Amino acid sequence: NAGVMQNPRHLVRRRGQEARLRCSPMKGHSHVYWYRQLPEEGLKFMVYLQKENIIDESGMPKERFSAEFPKEGPSILRIQQVVRGDSAAYFCASSPPAGPWEQYFGPGTRLTVT
Amino acid sequence: AQKVTQAQTEISVVEKEDVTLDCVYETRDTTYYLFWYKQPPSGELVFLIRRNSFDEQNEISGRYSWNFQKSTSSFNFTITASQVVDSAVYFCALGSAGGTSYGKLTFGQGTILTVHP
Repeated sequence: NAGVMQNPRHLVRRRGQEARLRCSPMKGHSHVYWYRQLPEEGLKFMVYLQKENIIDESGMPKERFSAEFPKEGPSILRIQQVVRGDSAAYFCASSPPAGPWEQYFGPGTRLTVT
Repeated sequence: AQKVTQAQTEISVVEKEDVTLDCVYETRDTTYYLFWYKQPPSGELVFLIRRNSFDEQNEISGRYSWNFQKSTSSFNFTITASQVVDSAVYFCALGSAGGTSYGKLTFGQGTILTVHP
């Protein structure tokens, strides 16, 4: 049973470009969560999604960031017009429908903005 | 608002020493969950344990043990006879079973543990 998959593992973007981070949840999991880990800090919640539905996006920056979890395919975290401050590790977690207390984390995507 | 405090930023020990990582949390919820995760140098997050607020029994798993004290809002983690492979960043996290925090984990800042041979 494959775990949570994230790709790419490393992503380098120049300022102003777009970054797309992908997350494929574990089989049977329909809930996805995105967290951001800035350098030397703990993880901060960004968004909680179910298929085709955003449940809680209270941790998402108001501009340039968006997330989706379509009926088919992976969840996508999209960052438009990246800035240096977006450089961080972005972790995705998934959980089964029964509840969010079994969150399994992917390996993370390390975004570097040059 | 929920908050998790890991007061120890860095701990350095010599192999075979016991080490305790502290975690204090704040929440107004009556039902909540507490977690510990390990982040080794490779960067992934490894789940170690989950406890719910109704279960204050301490738990032991091999060299790892956890002490949950609701009265002091603490969920401390002890590694007995530490090994070099235990070197990592350890995060304590809190999740709420309901309300506006449902589904999101609140993490502490992490404790960097270095075990020297």
